[in-house]
Amino acid sequence: DAKTTQPNSMESNEEEPVHLPCNHSTISGTDYIHWYRQLPSQGPEYVIHGLTSNVNNRMASLAIAEDRKSSTLILHRATLRDAAVYYCILKWAGNMLTFGGGTRLMVKP
Amino acid sequence: DTGVSQDPRHKITKRGQNVTFRCDPISEHNRLYWYRQTLGQGPEFLTYFQNEAQLEKSRLLSDRFSAERPKGSFSTLEIQRTEQGDSAMYLCASSPQRLAKNIQYFGAGTRLSVL
Repeated sequence: DAKTTQPNSMESNEEEPVHLPCNHSTISGTDYIHWYRQLPSQGPEYVIHGLTSNVNNRMASLAIAEDRKSSTLILHRATLRDAAVYYCILKWAGNMLTFGGGTRLMVKP
Repeated sequence: DTGVSQDPRHKITKRGQNVTFRCDPISEHNRLYWYRQTLGQGPEFLTYFQNEAQLEKSRLLSDRFSAERPKGSFSTLEIQRTEQGDSAMYLCASSPQRLAKNIQYFGAGTRLSVL
């Protein structure tokens, strides 16, 4: 499985944008880039995914580098409820997700 | 609530006992996954089913672990002769078969404590 690298933790102020980076230099052409997050005491929750183009949904935006070797999850206005561990995952087919350590996002009021 | 349901939410058992966890996926999701998560780590894949067929089980941690999905609906994960190292959160997820999206929806998990 192709590997992803994320910072262990990040801090943000409430109502400010947050950019969560992910490096995946060994990504293959068929790998989709998925982001999940896990709030305390809950199972992981899907956030967004993309292949080549930038993507937006109601939760976040995903910016994918032109060479696809890195991506950034963007939360436009962080709230206290966005405090979670965010996982960047490469996925090529309908089977398992391979989670790394993720980035623990702390949001300060 | 039509999300993924797991039962029980918490299980405390003594070393050497057998435990069984149940997962009810979102209806009409034909793929079902089991993961294990230890403290401070990301979830680790164990096994998955497409309908009643178990398509991947090489990641089950030992032969003490087994999973079933007899009618392609709910699934059970059994751990025989539990050990203290089995203490973890066991997560279930389901997804539809459309590969391009294949978003997995997770339950809240079953937390196992082996004393």
